[in-house]
Amino acid sequence: NAGVTQTPKFQVLKTGQSMTLQCAQDMNHEYMSWYRQDPGMGLRLIHYSVGAGITDQGEVPNGYNVSRSTTEDFPLRLLSAAPSQTSVYFCASSHRSIPYGYTFGSGTRLTVV
Amino acid sequence: EDKVVQSPLSLVVHEGDTVTLNCSYEVTNFRSLLWYKQEKKAPTFLFMLTSSGIEKKSGRLSSILDKKELFSILNITATQTGDSAVYLCAVETGNQFYFGTGTSLTVIP
Repeated sequence: NAGVTQTPKFQVLKTGQSMTLQCAQDMNHEYMSWYRQDPGMGLRLIHYSVGAGITDQGEVPNGYNVSRSTTEDFPLRLLSAAPSQTSVYFCASSHRSIPYGYTFGSGTRLTVV
Repeated sequence: EDKVVQSPLSLVVHEGDTVTLNCSYEVTNFRSLLWYKQEKKAPTFLFMLTSSGIEKKSGRLSSILDKKELFSILNITATQTGDSAVYLCAVETGNQFYFGTGTSLTVIP
């Protein structure tokens, strides 16, 4: 059981470039989400999904897009990278009805120069 | 605006000490409160609390929720160096989880 798999683990982008952070889970979790973690700011929700075909914005959605075409995958797209998007990104998933909290991916450290 | 506040921001203790970490919240549509431990990687789940006054316990760690006063505490007894980490509190409301900024705990041998 792989849990939540995030790729890549590290990425350096130039300002204006676009990229997709991948997230996949094999636990049949309905709920998936993306967070960014910055020093002194804690984890902030970017986008989330309660099931295939359903996505919604979190606390800091600007500059990011998501889609959920399957239960397993929840990619995060950076449309035009900016230095303010330098952060550590975590994908997380959970069952909605089983109270075990989130399972987190291992994170992606993104630097935008 | 929903918010979760943790205190203290950081704590340095000696092995064997007991520590209490605090999490207060102001949210609409409270569903649950969760505690996570984060070392230099992804957060790992510790506890989920949904009812007031019922202590959750796992080894030297325990936690309790007060839904009237809107806070939770995480206690760690007989601390060890392996307890050094950032402890995160999160509150689930509807379809979102709000995280506090965390308490950084350092346990000195």
